[in-house]
Amino acid sequence: NAGVMQNPRHLVRRRGQEARLRCSPMKGHSHVYWYRQLPEEGLKFMVYLQKENIIDESGMPKERFSAEFPKEGPSILRIQQVVRGDSAAYFCASSPTNTGELFFGEGSRLTVL
Amino acid sequence: GESVGLHLPTLSVQEGDNSIINCAYSNSASDYFIWYKQESGKGPQFIIDIRSNMDKRQGQRVTVLLNKTVKHLSLQIAATQPGDSAVYFCAEKDAQKVTFGTGTKLQVIP
Repeated sequence: NAGVMQNPRHLVRRRGQEARLRCSPMKGHSHVYWYRQLPEEGLKFMVYLQKENIIDESGMPKERFSAEFPKEGPSILRIQQVVRGDSAAYFCASSPTNTGELFFGEGSRLTVL
Repeated sequence: GESVGLHLPTLSVQEGDNSIINCAYSNSASDYFIWYKQESGKGPQFIIDIRSNMDKRQGQRVTVLLNKTVKHLSLQIAATQPGDSAVYFCAEKDAQKVTFGTGTKLQVIP
């Protein structure tokens, strides 16, 4: 059973471009969480999704950021018109239920030039 | 609360000694707590968890203690090894989401 898969592992974008980060949860997991991490800091919650639904997006900026978890395919975190401050590691986690352990991917590291 | 760019607190421990990492949580509604280990350049890895109806849980070389009265969580690592060097995060979960603490960097001195 493969773990949580994130891609790309590293992404470089220029200011104003779009970044798309993908997350394939573990098999049988229908709950997906996205977190952002700056160097030497903790993980900041961004959004919690179940299949086709956004459950909690309280940690995600209202502008430029969006997330989806379609019925088929991976969850996508999309950042439009990236700025330098968006440079960070973005981690995805999945869970079979909303009451237990989160399993994390290895992260996608976004660098905005 | 969230980190505001401060460096992570560091705990330095001699190899073979026991380590104790502490964490304060904020949400009285949290009913599930988890400790994660994060090595450089990698995603967080589950270490041990505890539900709010317990005050202690033991794993292999690790013990988690929960004090709900003062909203405090601790992770004890017995006979600390060089491979334990990493950043350790506590996390609390309520009905909606998992919130992470700031983290503690554990440095094991050989």
